[in-house]
Amino acid sequence: DGGITQSPKYLFRKEGQNVTLSCEQNLNHDAMYWYRQDPGQGLRLIYYSQIVNDFQKGDIAEGYSVSREKKESFPLTVTSAQKNPTAFYLCASSISWQGRNIQYFGAGTRLSVL
Amino acid sequence: DQQVKQNSPSLSVQEGRISILNCDYTNSMFDYFLWYKKYPAEGPTFLISISSIKDKNEDGRFTVFLNKSAKHLSLHIVPSQPGDSAVYFCAASGSGAGNMLTFGGGTRLMVKP
Repeated sequence: DGGITQSPKYLFRKEGQNVTLSCEQNLNHDAMYWYRQDPGQGLRLIYYSQIVNDFQKGDIAEGYSVSREKKESFPLTVTSAQKNPTAFYLCASSISWQGRNIQYFGAGTRLSVL
Repeated sequence: DQQVKQNSPSLSVQEGRISILNCDYTNSMFDYFLWYKKYPAEGPTFLISISSIKDKNEDGRFTVFLNKSAKHLSLHIVPSQPGDSAVYFCAASGSGAGNMLTFGGGTRLMVKP
């Protein structure tokens, strides 16, 4: 089955700890994205990558880091510098169809602070 | 400043009736619009999209209307079903495959049996 797999589904972070959220896709999509969703709010872009070994900051990149060493994988690290990390994190990938960007999402990871 | 706004945080509709979800945008460079549906604790799923060269796109029970002069789009669901109860996000992008999506804040639709 083709799709986007995020793990873990739930994650807890201690004070001062870095944690890494996994995102894997087998859709052969070039572009991948990380969003954050807070309760009652829309999706805000953290980082995106349009090609392997390249990534760009989104609207709220501070306190986060990413890597894109393989086409299939785009892990997100929530660092201790992110002071308010509790949120629902969504990974997406996209295919360009007739010049348009349609993004497909994973099931999400809920991060909480202990 | 929010470039894509969904001014109604929630909407309640009776089963079988029409649901109309609205979305406004401010960036005149947006020319492609999408609607996503999201259940709790799941990722959004793509529903339907429309290009600015059209003013209507239909897919089964879902129709999206675009009014470019008013910078307004709407999603119509007819007839509404209880399984349609979810949060609906509209998103917009400029032309070109590399352009990012800008999402609205979402509208929670509740369809009552």
